[in-house]
Amino acid sequence: AAGVIQSPRHLIKEKRETATLKCYPIPRHDTVYWYQQGPGQDPQFLISFYEKMQSDKGSIPDRFSAQQFSDYHSELNMSSLELGDSALYFCASSSRRGGNTIYFGEGSWLTVV
Amino acid sequence: QKEVEQNSGPLSVPEGAIASLNCTYSDRGSQSFFWYRQYSGKSPELIMSIYSNGDKEDGRFTAQLNKASQYVSLLIRDSQPSDSATYLCAVLSGGYNKLIFGAGTRLAVHP
Repeated sequence: AAGVIQSPRHLIKEKRETATLKCYPIPRHDTVYWYQQGPGQDPQFLISFYEKMQSDKGSIPDRFSAQQFSDYHSELNMSSLELGDSALYFCASSSRRGGNTIYFGEGSWLTVV
Repeated sequence: QKEVEQNSGPLSVPEGAIASLNCTYSDRGSQSFFWYRQYSGKSPELIMSIYSNGDKEDGRFTAQLNKASQYVSLLIRDSQPSDSATYLCAVLSGGYNKLIFGAGTRLAVHP
């Protein structure tokens, strides 16, 4: 079965640079979530989209932005990167019509040096 | 107070024993509850979902939900060393718009 696809899987950036992470949800899923997980921490909710509209916002820095496109894929843009942004970024998707079970992608490792 | 609370552990159980993991949540309006297993450096893997009060069994796993007490638990029977991981309790909050995780409980199953 198709899963949530994230790219790139690993990314190394320098401070103050910009990074873009992409997420392709499971086909026919209408909701996308983004999470940040630092070392030894639980996943922190950043932002979610339902049917291409932002539906909720968590602890997402102002330097970060995200959107969901017409084909339902989503991108997380991170600017002015800081060392503390180094983390594992997860995308997840679900279907409200399909029972709301949320499935996670394998994550994108961002290292800021 | 965190929205979802779990004991961080580690919870250590011998192989073959029952592991009991507990979770409480603060949003009384929450309707959907999940248990995920996460190995270090990997993404959360869905173990169980539960939406109604009572028990739900799937193989060696049983989830229990008590909405009145705002309490969710996960029992793992016949624990195996491969079950050693961090178990994350998650609650769908804000309508269906955000999944909030607890801090996770580290489970260690020793032979």
